[in-house]
Amino acid sequence: DIQMTQSPSSLSASVGDVVTITCRASQGISSSLNWYQQKPGKAPKLLIYAASSLQIGVPSRFSGSGSGTDFTLTITNLQPEDFATYYCQQTYSARAFGQGTKLEIK
Amino acid sequence: EVQVLESGGGLVQPGGSLRLSCAASGFTFSSFAMAWVRQAPGKGLEWVSSIIGSGVSTYYADSVKGRFTISRDNSQKTMYLQMNSLRADDTAVYYCTKRSPVVGFPDDYWGQGTMVTVSS
Repeated sequence: DIQMTQSPSSLSASVGDVVTITCRASQGISSSLNWYQQKPGKAPKLLIYAASSLQIGVPSRFSGSGSGTDFTLTITNLQPEDFATYYCQQTYSARAFGQGTKLEIK
Repeated sequence: EVQVLESGGGLVQPGGSLRLSCAASGFTFSSFAMAWVRQAPGKGLEWVSSIIGSGVSTYYADSVKGRFTISRDNSQKTMYLQMNSLRADDTAVYYCTKRSPVVGFPDDYWGQGTMVTVSS
């Protein structure tokens, strides 16, 4: 089974900051990597698919990059509504999520 | 507007059974794969099971294989998850998702979730 490891597990940042979240796969997954945002008590929301494609309606301050085993989610000009938990998901072999990264206000 | 709406959650004793339903609207249901994803209280997301549009092929996480059965009725635009031999560690919010056919096959629409509690 492919394991997904996110880092950091939690992160504190301020409005206007640039933040980067990393996701590493235990083996190569090409570009079969998606990113989701989840707010407390709500369902996850798709942000990025195929490693770097922005889902319709998602602000352009969100971007994704990477291929193979190492992937990155970057949020520029952090906004108050961006404080949430972020998950990566591989869809190369079955499905698996990373453990999540909680982004908190500093 | 695309919508998926779960129902059927509740409290069940260990070893018991429960059937979840997911009613879909706003898209051609039979053309899309669907899935169940769960989240235990305070924990991360776990993929549970998937089914292709025709219903012919199904997939399961090792943690539920042999105990859960996914199915769909395309005439009713509804997906199901039959859960048997439930255990305490099956306690979670269960989300129904629609799978996008684009590269990466992401889960592009999610329901609000239904809570399943396994406890005596």
